[in-house]
Amino acid sequence: QVQLVQSGAEVKKPGASVKVSCKASGYTFTSHYMHWVRQAPGQGLEWMGIINPSGGSTTYAQKFQGRLTMTRDTSTSKVYMELSSLRSEDTAVYYCARDRALAPYYYDAMDVWGQGTTVTVSS
Amino acid sequence: SYELTQPPSVSVSPGQTARITCSGDALPKQFAYWYQQKPGQAPMLVIYKDTERPSGIPERFSGSSSGTAVTLTISGVQTEDEADYYCQSPDSSGTYVIFGGGTKLTVL
Repeated sequence: QVQLVQSGAEVKKPGASVKVSCKASGYTFTSHYMHWVRQAPGQGLEWMGIINPSGGSTTYAQKFQGRLTMTRDTSTSKVYMELSSLRSEDTAVYYCARDRALAPYYYDAMDVWGQGTTVTVSS
Repeated sequence: SYELTQPPSVSVSPGQTARITCSGDALPKQFAYWYQQKPGQAPMLVIYKDTERPSGIPERFSGSSSGTAVTLTISGVQTEDEADYYCQSPDSSGTYVIFGGGTKLTVL
């Protein structure tokens, strides 16, 4: 079955970086773009960006440009989200989510979601 | 910056019809998508491309579009439908993805 499995919870100090992984299985990894979405405690969903697992191209939300890096490893069917210069406001659950469209198309629905990774930023 | 606007909360009794609206200037040009999120769980897609229902989603969930607004309708609401609902759409240029602020559906 189609599945996204994310890495475990992280606790980081302000100013540090965090790297979260998302392993895809059950479908052709390079056939669907991947989104990252986060949710701060008690807040709504916030889109962070998207990566093309085939070519590695990315688009980041303006809010995160300069601090966010998305990468992929086709040999392990994993995408990665790295956020730097962490601050307390980055405390959130981070989700990867598959784009429903078949590449090269994207910005369709997010039809499969990972289980979420809690990132806590605290001194 | 572009925004999608949803009511913070909607309340209905079991068996009634719940309607959740989402408004945004780009919605006449871009498809909208709806997600259900229950506490402690990842979001789940319930409507895509304004009106389409993924396999496995009950028929009581439907979507519609009119001008700068889209609507998620849940007919014959059940207690298990109590959740947060989010609309999502690309911005007018198709460059970025935007989520609405979310609507908490309470089934009284």
